Amino acid sequence: GNSVTQMEGPVTLSEEAFLTINCTYTATGYPSLFWYVQYPGEGLQLLLKATKADDKGSNKGFEATYRKETTSFHLEKGSVQVSDSAVYFCALKISNFGNEKLTFGTGTRLTIIP
Amino acid sequence: NAGVMQNPRHLVRRRGQEARLRCSPMKGHSHVYWYRQLPEEGLKFMVYLQKENIIDESGMPKERFSAEFPKEGPSILRIQQVVRGDSAAYFCASSPAGYYEQYFGPGTRLTVT
Repeated sequence: GNSVTQMEGPVTLSEEAFLTINCTYTATGYPSLFWYVQYPGEGLQLLLKATKADDKGSNKGFEATYRKETTSFHLEKGSVQVSDSAVYFCALKISNFGNEKLTFGTGTRLTIIP
Repeated sequence: NAGVMQNPRHLVRRRGQEARLRCSPMKGHSHVYWYRQLPEEGLKFMVYLQKENIIDESGMPKERFSAEFPKEGPSILRIQQVVRGDSAAYFCASSPAGYYEQYFGPGTRLTVT
């Protein structure tokens, strides 16, 4: 079956630090990969995505590269801000007719301190 | 352009009661997905619906849970005879078609006492 393994948290960093959140996956087929962010009390927002090997997704200073050889999609940001404090979810989807479900990791809670 | 709407945002039920959760997709979206988030866990897929059709219910518990998406009106996730273990956040997402990005609502937080 399909699964996503995410770096466990919580992660606490100082403002302007470098961020890496690891994500690896197991999939039958060729998945699309996603990072979602959940702010307190809110639903999930798509942060970035990549649909094929070697694609790089980027948004709001965050980046992740689809690495097929290591089955990974690690999230990085060069300089985090307090406003980046949230829970981050890695997810995959293999689109077949009738099968559009997202498979999520367990989430990584990130706290940025000033 | 309103996003995905869910109501109620918070729902408290006693054990044995029924819970009805509503989801109105974004305008122009005819595909709806329900996910459940247990405390300190990731989201788990429950069911995927199009108007008047259940496409994939592989994540739905076999008993007490049902979902519908009628031709008119919101999608409904119904939980009969709730138990404490049903306490969770239930998220709805919608998309214009199956392949496209899923947009999530703010969720309904169900507490069973």
